Amino acid sequence: NAGVTQTPKFQVLKTGQSMTLQCAQDMNHEYMSWYRQDPGMGLRLIHYSVGAGITDQGEVPNGYNVSRSTTEDFPLRLLSAAPSQTSVYFCASSKTGPPYEQYFGPGTRLTVT
Amino acid sequence: KNEVEQSPQNLTAQEGEFITINCSYSVGISALHWLQQHPGGGIVSLFMLSSGKKKHGRLIATINIQEKHSSLHITASHPRDSAVYICAVIKRGADGLTFGKGTHLIIQP
Repeated sequence: NAGVTQTPKFQVLKTGQSMTLQCAQDMNHEYMSWYRQDPGMGLRLIHYSVGAGITDQGEVPNGYNVSRSTTEDFPLRLLSAAPSQTSVYFCASSKTGPPYEQYFGPGTRLTVT
Repeated sequence: KNEVEQSPQNLTAQEGEFITINCSYSVGISALHWLQQHPGGGIVSLFMLSSGKKKHGRLIATINIQEKHSSLHITASHPRDSAVYICAVIKRGADGLTFGKGTHLIIQP
């Protein structure tokens, strides 16, 4: 059981580039979510999904897209990266939503120059 | 004003001391989480509470729904307890977590 995996661990992008952060879980969890963590701000919810085919916006969704075509995968797309998106991104999953017990991935550190 | 406030922001203590970290929130909630973020960055869920008290090893979490307050206690603290402790709530009717900014705990040998 790998739990929640995220790739890549580190990424540097130039302003305007696009990329996808990958997140996968092998626990058959229905609920998955993406958070960003910035110094002095704490974690903030970007997008979440309560099951395959269903996604919704969190607190800070602008500049990010998500899709959930399978139960296992929940990729986060940056459409046109901006320096304000420099952050550490965490994916998490929970058996059901709301997230009564969450399992976090190891994080992706993204720098946009 | 943040909906979830933690205190203190930073705490340094000696090994063996009893530690208390506080979390106050200003919204109606269905549950509250305590999380631990290791120095390497990984986040682990410690407790999920909707009432009363939970204990796991040297960690104890309590919640008072009427006062909108929760505490995380660490007994016989150890340097390996050094981490950031994060309080997060599930607002009533919501599907996501709202987080406090964390308490940075250092336990010195």
